[in-house]
Amino acid sequence: DTGVSQDPRHKITKRGQNVTFRCDPISEHNRLYWYRQTLGQGPEFLTYFQNEAQLEKSRLLSDRFSAERPKGSFSTLEIQRTEQGDSAMYLCASSLKGQVDTIYFGEGSWLTVV
Amino acid sequence: GENVEQHPSTLSVQEGDSAVIKCTYSDSASNYFPWYKQELGKGPQLIIDIRSNVGEKKDQRIAVTLNKTAKHFSLHITETQPEDSAVYFCAASMGPMDSSYKLIFGSGTRLLVRP
Repeated sequence: DTGVSQDPRHKITKRGQNVTFRCDPISEHNRLYWYRQTLGQGPEFLTYFQNEAQLEKSRLLSDRFSAERPKGSFSTLEIQRTEQGDSAMYLCASSLKGQVDTIYFGEGSWLTVV
Repeated sequence: GENVEQHPSTLSVQEGDSAVIKCTYSDSASNYFPWYKQELGKGPQLIIDIRSNVGEKKDQRIAVTLNKTAKHFSLHITETQPEDSAVYFCAASMGPMDSSYKLIFGSGTRLLVRP
């Protein structure tokens, strides 16, 4: 399977703990996106990278959230001091340089904060 | 910023009938309109897209139409099958006006195809 890969698929954590999600984009896709989706809603943009540079962050991305893409390949999204309101599915997506608007999503990482 | 509204929120059809889902957008600068299908517990899957220089696009049983003047676009599924049951999302992008090319999504339509 050469699609966008996300790990872990499910995470249950206690409030106040830190969690980290990993995303491996489609090979040679230079753009990588993070979205958040809550139940019954469409995905909402969080941030994106072009190669290793993080070029835009949504106001939804509070100071407790940090994303990295150190070598322009995989990316991590870390949430510090989790809150119950952070419970959602975190979706990673990627697109190719020549077709930047055609965005492919991974299967998502479900986070439940208890 | 851009806002996308999607209707209906739920749609139930008999197998073999057609289904139509409609979306409207607010910013005339939007120029790319994809549709995604999301099955339970999975990520959104791109099923068809249309750009602002095209009025209609078809791929087998799926078609999308775009009316730039009215700022709305629609997904048409013909000869529906039970496996078409899922949540469908429309989205809009203002790239390259928005260099991120980020997608703004509608709130989704839950389609149920009754056997």
